[in-house]
Amino acid sequence: DIVMTQTPLSLSVTPGQPASISCKSSQSLLYSDGKTYLYWYLQKPGQPPQLLIYEVSNRFSGVPDRFSGSGSQTDFTLRVSRVEAEDVGVYYCMQSIHFPHTFGQGTRLEIK
Amino acid sequence: QVQLVESGGGVVQPGRALRLSCAASGFTFNTYAMHWVRQAPGKGLEWVTVISHDGNNNHYADSVKGRFTISRDNSKNTLFLQMNSLRVEDTAIYYCARDRYGGSRWFVVGADSWGQGTLVTVSS
Repeated sequence: DIVMTQTPLSLSVTPGQPASISCKSSQSLLYSDGKTYLYWYLQKPGQPPQLLIYEVSNRFSGVPDRFSGSGSQTDFTLRVSRVEAEDVGVYYCMQSIHFPHTFGQGTRLEIK
Repeated sequence: QVQLVESGGGVVQPGRALRLSCAASGFTFNTYAMHWVRQAPGKGLEWVTVISHDGNNNHYADSVKGRFTISRDNSKNTLFLQMNSLRVEDTAIYYCARDRYGGSRWFVVGADSWGQGTLVTVSS
């Protein structure tokens, strides 16, 4: 199975400041179709996960443009340009190039 | 908009069975693969299984292979998860989720829309 490793596991951010989360995969997530199957989700307290970013850098419908994703092959980053109070929760990366789909451990973001 | 509503969770003894359902609406159900993903209390997300849009293909996590069966009824826009030989470690919130790819071939790219989940507790 592909192992997804996120860092840090928690971060505390002042509103209006940026935040960054790293995700590393144990294998390349680049598929033969040229796409890289790395997803980012946010799970707000008491809610199901919601998709933020698909295929490394594509924002899902309705996701604010302060969220951005980057990376390639095995190293990926989610950035929040200016953290807002509503961004608190646990962020997960996930690979979907191979079964089983696997998630990172999650990164808990809190507001200072 | 996409709506997924899970049901069927509850408390069950180890070794017993339970069947979860997920009612879908707001999209053309029979063109999307569907997933089940679970989350043990206070833990992270674990992908469980996926089924193709037509029900002819599926994959399972090793942790549930041979015990869980995913199926769907496209005439009723409903996804199912039959869980047999339940173990204490199967205790979790079970989410159904739609795959982002909607098309006529067996291709899975990752979940985009999720239901609220249903809690399964396996305990004696």
